[in-house]
This record gives sequence, C-alpha cells and structure tokens, in this order.
Amino acid sequence: EAGVTQFPSHSVIEKGQTVTLRCDPISGHDNLYWYRRVMGKEIKFLLHFVKESKQDESGMPNNRFLAERTGGTYSTLKVQPAELEDSGVYFCASSQWLRGALNEQFFGPGTRLTVL
Amino acid sequence: SQQGEEDPQALSIQEGENATMNCSYKTSINNLQWYRQNSGRGLVHLILIRSNEREKHSGRLRVTLDTSKKSSSLLITASRAADTASYFCATPTRYNQGGKLIFGQGTELSVKP
Repeated sequence: EAGVTQFPSHSVIEKGQTVTLRCDPISGHDNLYWYRRVMGKEIKFLLHFVKESKQDESGMPNNRFLAERTGGTYSTLKVQPAELEDSGVYFCASSQWLRGALNEQFFGPGTRLTVL
Repeated sequence: SQQGEEDPQALSIQEGENATMNCSYKTSINNLQWYRQNSGRGLVHLILIRSNEREKHSGRLRVTLDTSKKSSSLLITASRAADTASYFCATPTRYNQGGKLIFGQGTELSVKP
C-alpha cells in the first residue's frame, strides 16, 4: 500500500512568488492534515480536511495560505504571495476514522520550502 | 499554547550511550506518540503508547507514560550516529474523530561517532 506522498520534495522561490504544494493521502483516508515546521521550531498544525470539507483551519497563519481538497482525494496548499517567514518544512498526514480506533496519522516525507 | 513541552531541547551524546528525552503535556490524553525527523527529511512515526499503558518497547526504544504527572519519556539505548535527529512527542486532540496532533517543541539529538 502506498503511503502519503508529497510534491515537490523541495521548492525554492523568491519572496512574492506563488507556490503550490500537493499531498496525496493514503487511499481511502478521509482525514487529511497539513502541518509545518518553521525554522527548526515546533511542528504546528495548519488545517484538517474530512473528505473535501475543512474541519479545522484554526492553524492557518493568514489569508496568504489557501488549502483545497476538491473531490476529497489529494489536497493542495497554495502560498500567495510567499514571504520569508514561510520557509520551512510542510508535512501532510492522513488517517482513517474507524469507530473505536486510535487517531494514528501517517505522515508524508514533507516539502521543504525555501523563500529567498 | 503548546500541548507538549520537551526537555532537553538539545542533547549531545557519544555513540553507544543512552539518550533520554522527556515530554510533558497539559490535558487528558487517549494516547501519546513519538516521532523523529531526520535533518531535511520527513516525519517518521516511532511508537504510540496508550493512556492505559505505562511502558512500551520497540527495538532500542523504550517509552514510558505517567498520566498522573502528564509526562512521557523516550529512551534510546545504545545510540548510533544514525539516531541523530529531532524527536517530538505528539498528542491527539480528539480520540476517534480525527483531531489534530499537537506536537512538543522537540529535542535535537546529536550522536557523535
């Protein structure tokens, strides 16, 4: 079974440009999450989709960030315009909700974003 | 505020030594998880311990959980240079409904050959 995949693995852009990150969750997983680790600090939650709906977007830092999950499959996270402080590693995770199951999330390899 | 806080923030040891990292959390939990991030790479799930468990082993890893103190520890025995990484504890916010994970600040472990 394929795990969570993310694309690209690394992106280098200039301040003011736009970048779109993609995440493909494990097939059949309804829950999809975005997290990021900025400048070696803690990993912070950005948002959570259940299928195509945004369940929790409390971690989105500002309106320069737009996440979508059309059709409830893969998700994109767009940063427009990018700022220097957006540099970091963006992780995607997915999980399947099963009654009585633990909330075990499976993480992708991350996208390292560098804004110059 | 962050759910988990870890100490030490940085730990440097020699290969073959044991490394112990601690994590504290604030609210009730159903389980606690430990993750590792190697420099420039992805997040790897190491081990999950349920709230009704006190200790769990996986290879060279030993995790303890003390729910009365709201704390957990991760012990890596006989460390190797390849264990150099950032280690995070994480707790879910909701148990069966897919809630987000809240991560600790992490411990930067450096294992010198």
